[in-house]
Amino acid sequence: EAQVTQNPRYLITVTGKKLTVTCSQNMNHEYMSWYRQDPGLGLRQIYYSMNVEVTDKGDVPEGYKVSRKEKRNFPLILESPSPNQTSLYFCASSQLLGTDTQYFGPGTRLTVL
Amino acid sequence: GESVGLHLPTLSVQEGDNSIINCAYSNSASDYFIWYKQESGKGPQFIIDIRSNMDKRQGQRVTVLLNKTVKHLSLQIAATQPGDSAVYFCAERRQGGSEKLVFGKGTKLTVNP
Repeated sequence: EAQVTQNPRYLITVTGKKLTVTCSQNMNHEYMSWYRQDPGLGLRQIYYSMNVEVTDKGDVPEGYKVSRKEKRNFPLILESPSPNQTSLYFCASSQLLGTDTQYFGPGTRLTVL
Repeated sequence: GESVGLHLPTLSVQEGDNSIINCAYSNSASDYFIWYKQESGKGPQFIIDIRSNMDKRQGQRVTVLLNKTVKHLSLQIAATQPGDSAVYFCAERRQGGSEKLVFGKGTKLTVNP
């Protein structure tokens, strides 16, 4: 089954404790992206990757890092989480952004205390 | 500032009626638009897309209309069903050197039996 998976689905952590949210897709897609979703603000792009070893900032990259060492994986790293990073996070992938469907993962609910 | 937005945050319709969800955008350079559906507890799901060289595109029970003159996008759902209840987002691809989508804040559609 074609899908995007994220882990963990739910995470409660404390300020400053490094964490990684994994994202994996099995569709051989070149494009992958991370979004955060907050009430009243909608979906905002954090980082995206057009291909392996190619990443770029989205609209709200501060406090986040990403890497794209393999085509299928695109982890989101919070080196020193803060409470304002409490949010619902989605990973997405598509073959080519402009011409193909963007598939979203099920989401990761992160709470930073 | 430039943004993708929606005219109404909520929409309530009777089962069987047609639904129209609206979206305004302000970036005239955007060339690609997408509608997503997000059910409670799930990630956004692609519904339909349209390029800026088109005015209308139809799918199964859904139609997207694009009016570039007034920078307006709409999603029409025919014979709305309870399963259509969800939050609907429009998104635009902005040109200018980076490939990214900007999402509207969403409209919550409720279908009453």
